[in-house]
Amino acid sequence: AQTVTQSQPEMSVQEAETVTLSCTYDTSENNYYLFWYKQPPSRQMILVIRQEAYKQQNATENRFSVNFQKAAKSFSLKISDSQLGDTAMYFCAFMYTGNQFYFGTGTSLTVIP
Amino acid sequence: NAGVTQTPKFRVLKTGQSMTLLCAQDMNHEYMYWYRQDPGMGLRLIHYSVGEGTTAKGEVPDGYNVSRLKKQNFLLGLESAAPSQTSVYFCASRDRGNQPQHFGDGTRLSIL
Repeated sequence: AQTVTQSQPEMSVQEAETVTLSCTYDTSENNYYLFWYKQPPSRQMILVIRQEAYKQQNATENRFSVNFQKAAKSFSLKISDSQLGDTAMYFCAFMYTGNQFYFGTGTSLTVIP
Repeated sequence: NAGVTQTPKFRVLKTGQSMTLLCAQDMNHEYMYWYRQDPGMGLRLIHYSVGEGTTAKGEVPDGYNVSRLKKQNFLLGLESAAPSQTSVYFCASRDRGNQPQHFGDGTRLSIL
């Protein structure tokens, strides 16, 4: 069975600062994909960034980047220059070729002005 | 661009009533999913479909049924609603391969 763990239920960061959200997963699969989704108060689920397990290079999308450590089964999200609009719930998700997605329980991030 | 559309957005039911949630996608995606979201538990997969006419159970399928008669639609049914099914329900779809899921805006369902 695949599991995804987000150990930080809540976090806060000052505007313009950097914050890192942690995610660990457990799997026996070798080929899989990892995602971070953002859920603002509007309740929409928005894709932030994704990482293919076979790629060693960490993915980046503007102010968002990941630190992917395959051996440690760790997939953290770094948000640089935090903005008020980054306030949201963040979910880490795992997918392998079985077509199912597994989500963590989420981290609620508050950006403080 | 409609993307994934869920109907209705909000509904209140009495225990024992039945209802169907509709998910429609206009992206010609093969895969579709139904999740429920509860506080502190993230998203849990109820059922999913890998193509028209196919369905499969997810993590929490009990009390729900689904159908995918048309590729663009994925229906979630509650035959006899229970208070434990009070939740926010999300539908998602995605294309083949390692593509991410696209989500609808969710349906808030309250069962009294």
